[in-house]
Amino acid sequence: SQQGEEDPQALSIQEGENATMNCSYKTSINNLQWYRQNSGRGLVHLILIRSNEREKHSGRLRVTLDTSKKSSSLLITASRAADTASYFCATVPNTGGFKTIFGAGTRLFVKA
Amino acid sequence: EAQVTQNPRYLITVTGKKLTVTCSQNMNHEYMSWYRQDPGLGLRQIYYSMNVEVTDKGDVPEGYKVSRKEKRNFPLILESPSPNQTSLYFCASSPRTGVGLHEQYFGPGTRLTVT
Repeated sequence: SQQGEEDPQALSIQEGENATMNCSYKTSINNLQWYRQNSGRGLVHLILIRSNEREKHSGRLRVTLDTSKKSSSLLITASRAADTASYFCATVPNTGGFKTIFGAGTRLFVKA
Repeated sequence: EAQVTQNPRYLITVTGKKLTVTCSQNMNHEYMSWYRQDPGLGLRQIYYSMNVEVTDKGDVPEGYKVSRKEKRNFPLILESPSPNQTSLYFCASSPRTGVGLHEQYFGPGTRLTVT
């Protein structure tokens, strides 16, 4: 069963605007990761946030994690047309194994 | 160059004809995994491996087999492919397990069509 669920499913913004995507999950985790996928290509890791962290930054990316609500958000600031891609969150449930669960993703379209 | 490679990249086959998709990584990673991606469903994990000779099921293992005889290789075997296994397949590896899983490095994908 899918643990991670992103919303919105799709997002269309103008270049320069900020884009926010959300991810919810069901069980406790050790960390949560965000990935990016350009159309039909392999995923690229963006950022990892541990369960004891609340916020993390990397360049124009800002990730927050609220373990009490079992949710995370990815903010891309000052978006560019090159940010057009699908974004996925991934979790490994803290149940003893290392099964990885990806959400269905958010498709971001940045208009130039 | 550090990478995960998959072969073939594209494959069209017929129902019931056994096939193997190879995956190799040159980063000495312990963890390797196979995923399938279908429209609207994101990535679903098929199998993963923590190390040589250690494999475990993901969410959708039915109809697939894997083996991990060497650290660098993790082939995906479809003994009797069926049309519902038509999908985009990704192999991935990760440097270490520790507490939780670290970032995964993905291959370019294999687009499989079963007729």
